[in-house]
Amino acid sequence: KNEVEQSPQNLTAQEGEFITINCSYSVGISALHWLQQHPGGGIVSLFMLSSGKKKHGRLIATINIQEKHSSLHITASHPRDSAVYICAVSTLGGSARQLTFGSGTQLTVLP
Amino acid sequence: DTGVSQDPRHKITKRGQNVTFRCDPISEHNRLYWYRQTLGQGPEFLTYFQNEAQLEKSRLLSDRFSAERPKGSFSTLEIQRTEQGDSAMYLCASSLTLREGPAISYEQYFGPGTRLTVT
Repeated sequence: KNEVEQSPQNLTAQEGEFITINCSYSVGISALHWLQQHPGGGIVSLFMLSSGKKKHGRLIATINIQEKHSSLHITASHPRDSAVYICAVSTLGGSARQLTFGSGTQLTVLP
Repeated sequence: DTGVSQDPRHKITKRGQNVTFRCDPISEHNRLYWYRQTLGQGPEFLTYFQNEAQLEKSRLLSDRFSAERPKGSFSTLEIQRTEQGDSAMYLCASSLTLREGPAISYEQYFGPGTRLTVT
C-alpha cells in the first residue's frame, strides 16, 4: 500500500463545476503539499499546510490530521485548470524532508 | 517560472551511453533535491544536497547514478551505461531551509524537468 493515496485518478468536469480531489496518507507528517503539474512536466506548488484550511483564489485546501486526509477543491472550474494535481507529504522525523508523492489526479475541464 | 532551471529539457540517448543533467536552483536556496517521475506516476525521491554535501540517497539511486553539487550552487546528475528503464522525467527542486526540526517543512520549488528517453 502506498503511503499517499489519491482519488480519483482521473476526473472530467464541465466548466463551472465544483471539483474535489482527495488525498489520504498513512504516515506521520510535518506538512502536506498540493502541487499542479501541466503537460511538459513543470510542477508548481499550490499549497503547503499542516492544519486547517487555506484558500487561494478559486482553490481551497483542507486537512484533517486526525483522519490523515486532505482535500483540494476548485470552485467555478475552468478549462485552464486542466492539469495533474499531486498530493505530497513531508514525513515526520529524519533530516531530508524529501516529499513522498501520490500518483496524481488527471483533471480535464471541458468548455 | 519558479526560478529553478534544468538543462537539457529533453534528451534522447542510446542504451549504454552516459548522460548528464544540470539543475540551477534558486540562488539563495541551500537544499537541492532530485526526483524521478515515470509516466502516470508521482515523482520519487532520488537524493538531496544541503549546500554541497549529499546527505541522503534513495535505494532507487543505483551505482550507475551519481550526483554532485560542487560549490553548493548548481547540481549535476549523471547516469552511466543508461538502460531503457532509466527513461523518465528527472525533476530538480530547491528550498531554503532556515532551521531544523522534526515538524518543520519548507516549500520546494521545482524545475521544468529533463525528459530522458533511452532507445
